[in-house]
Amino acid sequence: EAEVAQSPRYKITEKSQAVAFWCDPISGHATLYWYRQILGQGPELLVQFQDESVVDDSQLPKDRFSAERLKGVDSTLKIQPAELGDSAMYLCASSLFSGVTQYFGPGTRLLVL
Amino acid sequence: DQQVKQNSPSLSVQEGRISILNCDYTNSMFDYFLWYKKYPAEGPTFLISISSIKDKNEDGRFTVFLNKSAKHLSLHIVPSQPGDSAVYFCAAILSTGNQFYFGTGTSLTVIP
Repeated sequence: EAEVAQSPRYKITEKSQAVAFWCDPISGHATLYWYRQILGQGPELLVQFQDESVVDDSQLPKDRFSAERLKGVDSTLKIQPAELGDSAMYLCASSLFSGVTQYFGPGTRLLVL
Repeated sequence: DQQVKQNSPSLSVQEGRISILNCDYTNSMFDYFLWYKKYPAEGPTFLISISSIKDKNEDGRFTVFLNKSAKHLSLHIVPSQPGDSAVYFCAAILSTGNQFYFGTGTSLTVIP
């Protein structure tokens, strides 16, 4: 069964360092999403791509977060510099197109010390 | 402003009994609803969905009910199994947009 791949699964870093997360969506899925989930809360959308274009990044802290999906397939989410409050689970999801069921990857758990 | 709410952070049920997880929403423009299950250290897994033109959708042990007038949906698991122990999120999609709105989750524990 096709799955969304994410790496790394766990990341520990010190504040002010740069971190990057990678996501490979299900083949053929045009829409890709990055979410942040803090323990005890639901996933919060950070950025949504349609192919290689950003369609929603209204909740992305653009002073330190960036995301790209250069060829419309896999995607990278970067944080620079990381802050203590960035400790969370970062989830990637994909869907055939926007507005239909999203399929999530296993997530990257980030701990900022 | 939380548009999708799960007011019960946790629920415990005996194995074999029914689990009922509830979700309320505030925006009448939501037209598609989904339930996801999440185990610790894993991403959410899609479970079941329902369109706003229906009031019930069933898939095996899982049934989702939608009450549009009350802006309420519920997930029924019958019979509950220990492997169902997880956090359950409801999500909703606006008819005018594509963004998912997630609830805060309900942690279900099924006691053997």
